Amino acid sequence: AQKITQTQPGMFVQEKEAVTLDCTYDTSDQSYGLFWYKQPSSGEMIFLIYQGSYDEQNATEGRYSLNFQKARKSANLVISASQLGDSAMYFCAMREGYNNDMRFGAGTRLTVKP
Amino acid sequence: GAGVSQTPSNKVTEKGKYVELRCDPISGHTALYWYRQSLGQGPEFLIYFQGTGAADDSGLPNDRFFAVRPEGSVSTLKIQRTERGDSAVYLCASSPGAWGTGGDSGANVLTFGAGSRLTVL
Repeated sequence: AQKITQTQPGMFVQEKEAVTLDCTYDTSDQSYGLFWYKQPSSGEMIFLIYQGSYDEQNATEGRYSLNFQKARKSANLVISASQLGDSAMYFCAMREGYNNDMRFGAGTRLTVKP
Repeated sequence: GAGVSQTPSNKVTEKGKYVELRCDPISGHTALYWYRQSLGQGPEFLIYFQGTGAADDSGLPNDRFFAVRPEGSVSTLKIQRTERGDSAVYLCASSPGAWGTGGDSGANVLTFGAGSRLTVL
């Protein structure tokens, strides 16, 4: 069964605008962690932001924030004030309980237009 | 080193050949992971090491795949009798400790290398 679902294969955003990348997850564990990674064309996976299942506040890291809606099992990434350098693949991922395999979604390709 | 280093960055081989991919994790990181990323997909977990031992190898697709980490730092992913379907980018990642250990699990975020692109002709 698909654990992480990213329904947007591609997204476009105008430079300086905000964009939301969707992620829904499926787990029966009470303890889990949600992650977003960025993968530019160079191929390296870059960690952006983390949200623990017990965290009551949405995580924020600079221009990145995670809109965590636990009841809906969604963990959307919000990028504010988009920059051209934000153009990349974005992956949502989850680790459940004490499992060591981090499960990734299929990714969303974000293109920032000048 | 400052980051996770993977060599070679590109490897082209013929079907049936043996291949080794190397990963040098961040110094002091005890946890090491191998992932495989096929074109247009997210990374897929292969194996996890805590120290020298393979703590979880449930993601290895078959017995042609094997990985070692003899001294608890550098790891080698070994693929025997390569097949065209093995073509992918193989990503290595390391983290300070295992997931779920310590008070802040977020501190055990995975840091990835740039990957080794394997092409099997």
